Amino acid sequence: ILNVEQSPQSLHVQEGDSTNFTCSFPSSNFYALHWYRWETAKSPEALFVMTLNGDEKKKGRISATLNTKEGYSYLYIKGSQPEDSATYLCASHYGGATNKLIFGTGTLLAVQP
Amino acid sequence: NAGVTQTPKFRVLKTGQSMTLLCAQDMNHEYMYWYRQDPGMGLRLIHYSVGEGTTAKGEVPDGYNVSRLKKQNFLLGLESAAPSQTSVYFCASGRIGNTDTQYFGPGTRLTVL
Repeated sequence: ILNVEQSPQSLHVQEGDSTNFTCSFPSSNFYALHWYRWETAKSPEALFVMTLNGDEKKKGRISATLNTKEGYSYLYIKGSQPEDSATYLCASHYGGATNKLIFGTGTLLAVQP
Repeated sequence: NAGVTQTPKFRVLKTGQSMTLLCAQDMNHEYMYWYRQDPGMGLRLIHYSVGEGTTAKGEVPDGYNVSRLKKQNFLLGLESAAPSQTSVYFCASGRIGNTDTQYFGPGTRLTVL
């Protein structure tokens, strides 16, 4: 079973700060890396799916990079806002065509106004 | 287009009771998944289905059964509930493809006394 690790576990920043977190995953048999945003009392929502080494994806102030050779992905948030407060999950795909995902435990981000 | 829905939203059971959680999706997705989410742990896959009439075990299948009689529905059954099954259960669905995102339901909070 794959082990997907995220750090830090939690992060408190001030409004306007930029921040980043890390997702580490086994690089062997890599298929895809997913990032989800999970607000309290809601369900996880997909942010990005990345497959190629060196991939960079961006959605507004949030961006992500992927290094499949060393097995890590970074998620960046530029100019954090209180509405960015959420848990950010990464998941590594495994299992061939079934699209099964192994999730990390998430990074809980709290943005203070 | 309701996306992924789950019923019920909350349930309290006594040890030994049985129940069925229903997941429905209206996106014509082939793949469906049941996860459980526990404090300090990532989402863990219980069972999944790659199409109508097919099911397979995930990471933590013991104590659960599933059925996919119709493409749009995926049922999770607990035959004899145990306190260790107290958790939040999430259903997800997705299209065929290694890199496609999964769409999550709102979750069912189950407490087993």
